Amino acid sequence: EPEVTQTPSHQVTQMGQEVILRCVPISNHLYFYWYRQILGQKVEFLVSFYNNEISEKSEIFDDQFSVERPDGSNFTLKIRSTKLEDSAMYFCASSEFGGRAKNEQFFGPGTRLTVL
Amino acid sequence: AQSVTQLGSHVSVSEGALVLLRCNYSSSVPPYLFWYVQYPNQGLQLLLKYTSAATLVKGINGFEAEFKKSETSFHLTKPSAHMSDAAEYFCAVYNAGGTSYGKLTFGQGTILTVHP
Repeated sequence: EPEVTQTPSHQVTQMGQEVILRCVPISNHLYFYWYRQILGQKVEFLVSFYNNEISEKSEIFDDQFSVERPDGSNFTLKIRSTKLEDSAMYFCASSEFGGRAKNEQFFGPGTRLTVL
Repeated sequence: AQSVTQLGSHVSVSEGALVLLRCNYSSSVPPYLFWYVQYPNQGLQLLLKYTSAATLVKGINGFEAEFKKSETSFHLTKPSAHMSDAAEYFCAVYNAGGTSYGKLTFGQGTILTVHP
């Protein structure tokens, strides 16, 4: 069964460093998302991406964040200068359709980011 | 804006007992609602979804949920718990309108423990 994969599963970095979290969405999916979950808090939407551009982003997704689909298979989230409060589990998701009725998002296992 | 609230961060049941996980939503438009499950070290897996068709929705692994507009609820149930049901469960609402492409808003999650 097709699945969304994410690498690495754990990432430890120093404050101020850049990190890139990688995701491989399901191959025929066209819509891509990043969410995050700070320990003990809700899963929060960060950004959605379609047709090589951001379609929506939350207030969390500031200038320190960027997303890219560098090739036909990968979808990346970059944090330019990490802060302590960026420590969280980051989930990638993808869906075949974007419309309300058919949107079913498939999630990856997550990358746990720890900023020291 | 839409939101969901899950009542009870932890629920503990005996094997074979009824499982009831509560979710209440707030939405200014007819909502699309989802239940996801997360097993340890895995991604979020869709259990079931309500998309304005039948109010009683059946999902995988014997779970079902009933949409009750009058109560703004979408509680998840399973008649008989199994040890393998132990996981964290998330209720989510689809944010519709404008140019939104599939932004999900999640509840805070409920950890289900099943004891022998």
